[in-house]
Amino acid sequence: KQEVTQIPAALSVPEGENLVLNCSFTDSAIYNLQWFRQDPGKGLTSLLLIQSSQREQTSGRLNASLDKSSGRSTLYIAASQPGDSATYLCAVRWETSGSRLTFGEGTQLTVNP
Amino acid sequence: AAGVIQSPRHLIKEKRETATLKCYPIPRHDTVYWYQQGPGQDPQFLISFYEKMQSDKGSIPDRFSAQQFSDYHSELNMSSLELGDSALYFCASSHRQGRGETQYFGPGTRLLVL
Repeated sequence: KQEVTQIPAALSVPEGENLVLNCSFTDSAIYNLQWFRQDPGKGLTSLLLIQSSQREQTSGRLNASLDKSSGRSTLYIAASQPGDSATYLCAVRWETSGSRLTFGEGTQLTVNP
Repeated sequence: AAGVIQSPRHLIKEKRETATLKCYPIPRHDTVYWYQQGPGQDPQFLISFYEKMQSDKGSIPDRFSAQQFSDYHSELNMSSLELGDSALYFCASSHRQGRGETQYFGPGTRLLVL
């Protein structure tokens, strides 16, 4: 079964800290992987997309990496700010599952001033 | 930049009633997706359309139906509503372009069934 897991479920850090969010997936035959941010009760904002042939993508203070062989992706956030507080979701599109995204349950991040 | 538009943003219905959710994709996007996010859960794929044809189907109840129209907007029709249908319903759109295809999500419609 194709599943996505995110650990930890919640993370609290002081402002300014660099942090890593983890995403693991059960089938390495992925098509691409997206990281999203969701604020409480709000929509999903796409942060980064990594294609299956790529190892990492960067946008500002965010860096996402992909290791298909180990079934893992990480989202690195540099110099965290209180405004980064949100739930971060990892979503995988697999080669064999059409164009649908399968989401992890997310990591709820709190950055304390 | 234009984003995905969903209407209504909030909807309250009684059990056994019907509801219609609308989605207007980003201009020139050819694919629309519907996802359901229950309280405290991750989004679950319901159905998708490419160039007005159903392209994929997930865990969508038989009570639900959807279509994509000639102007590419999409509607999700929900009948015989149940309490468990209360959720946030997202529409997403994309332009088919291989592995770089990003799905962009709308703000969602929050449906409450009483």
